[in-house]
Amino acid sequence: EIVLTQSPGTLSLSPGERATLSCRASQSVMSTYLAWYQQKPGQAPRLLIYSASSRATGIPDRFSGSGSGTDFTLTISRLEPEDFAVYYCQQYGRSPWTFGLGTKVDIK
Amino acid sequence: QVQLQQWGAGLLKASETLSLTCAVYGGSFSDFYWGWVRQPPGKGLEWIGEINESGIMNYNPSLKSRLTLSVDTSKNQFSLNLRSVTAADTGVYYCARVPQWLNYFDYWGQGALVTVSS
Repeated sequence: EIVLTQSPGTLSLSPGERATLSCRASQSVMSTYLAWYQQKPGQAPRLLIYSASSRATGIPDRFSGSGSGTDFTLTISRLEPEDFAVYYCQQYGRSPWTFGLGTKVDIK
Repeated sequence: QVQLQQWGAGLLKASETLSLTCAVYGGSFSDFYWGWVRQPPGKGLEWIGEINESGIMNYNPSLKSRLTLSVDTSKNQFSLNLRSVTAADTGVYYCARVPQWLNYFDYWGQGALVTVSS
């Protein structure tokens, strides 16, 4: 199965700063079939990005995704207070679909 | 607006069967797959499986031998049964909508905490 490694484990930033989150796959992800989710404590995950770079419905344009092959990035251009959360990547190019262990973005 | 509402038993003993059901409100039921994802306490997400209205299923091989997915199109509901549970099956179980041919999860249920005691 494809293993996704997310880095860093924790990112400590201030509101207004730029966040760059990495997701590296153990094998090439077919057709950029990679998604990003945001999860806050006690809540279900929320889809942010699919197909590596397409924003889901209602997602602000400060969230952007990029990458292909084995290296993918989620960028939050300017952190808002509500953006402090855990972010997961997921590949759906090869079954079983797998998730990374997450990057926690917390307030510095 | 699409909403998923899920329910099921929250406390089980080892060797029992975990059963959860998810109801879909709004949107098309027939144009999507319907999936399950779980999250052990304090840990990451694990894909369990998914099913469409015709009963076509994809399973995580690690759970396939214990897993049954079903769908009730008359009620726009789908269900998960996981047999012979152990403490390792403890966690929050989520139901979710899966666009056909693109197996990400775009709408999620609220989650159900399942605790397995030995």
